[in-house]
Amino acid sequence: SQQGEEDPQALSIQEGENATMNCSYKTSINNLQWYRQNSGRGLVHLILIRSNEREKHSGRLRVTLDTSKKSSSLLITASRAADTASYFCATAERPYSGSARQLTFGSGTQLTVLP
Amino acid sequence: NAGVTQTPKFQVLKTGQSMTLQCAQDMNHEYMSWYRQDPGMGLRLIHYSVGAGITDQGEVPNGYNVSRSTTEDFPLRLLSAAPSQTSVYFCASSYSRGGQNTEAFFGQGTRLTVV
Repeated sequence: SQQGEEDPQALSIQEGENATMNCSYKTSINNLQWYRQNSGRGLVHLILIRSNEREKHSGRLRVTLDTSKKSSSLLITASRAADTASYFCATAERPYSGSARQLTFGSGTQLTVLP
Repeated sequence: NAGVTQTPKFQVLKTGQSMTLQCAQDMNHEYMSWYRQDPGMGLRLIHYSVGAGITDQGEVPNGYNVSRSTTEDFPLRLLSAAPSQTSVYFCASSYSRGGQNTEAFFGQGTRLTVV
């Protein structure tokens, strides 16, 4: 089953506006990551936030993590038409034993930025 | 620097045929994974490997085999193709730091249709 679930499933905004996407997950994690996927392409890593961090910035991206609520949000400020893509959160579970398991992805948010 | 290379990009199979999807990475990453992406389902983990000679099952392993004889290569074998295996397949690699997954690098995907 999916570990992360994004909300909303689809978001349409005007260029220059901010876009906020949310992700909820179920288990204890080591870190949470956000990825972007342009239509017909592979996923590209955007940002990683560790379980002991609450907020992280990278350019126009701002990610927050609330481990008590098992949720994260991705904010894209001053959006551009080129930001149109699908955005996925992915969690790295904290294993009880052994090596780290692989990333578990949510179903994604489709962002459309209108020029 | 090629990153993660997947071949082929497109493939059409008849039900019952077998084939191998190739994945190679040149970043000396320990972790490699195969995901399938279906509409509205996000990415689901098929199999993964934490190093040469070590593989494990993911969320949807049935009908697929993997092996990891070298660090660079992680082929995915479809044993007897079924229409339910029509999907886009992504290979990813990453390294671990302190036992945690770091950012994953994805190939461009293989679009497989089983008729």
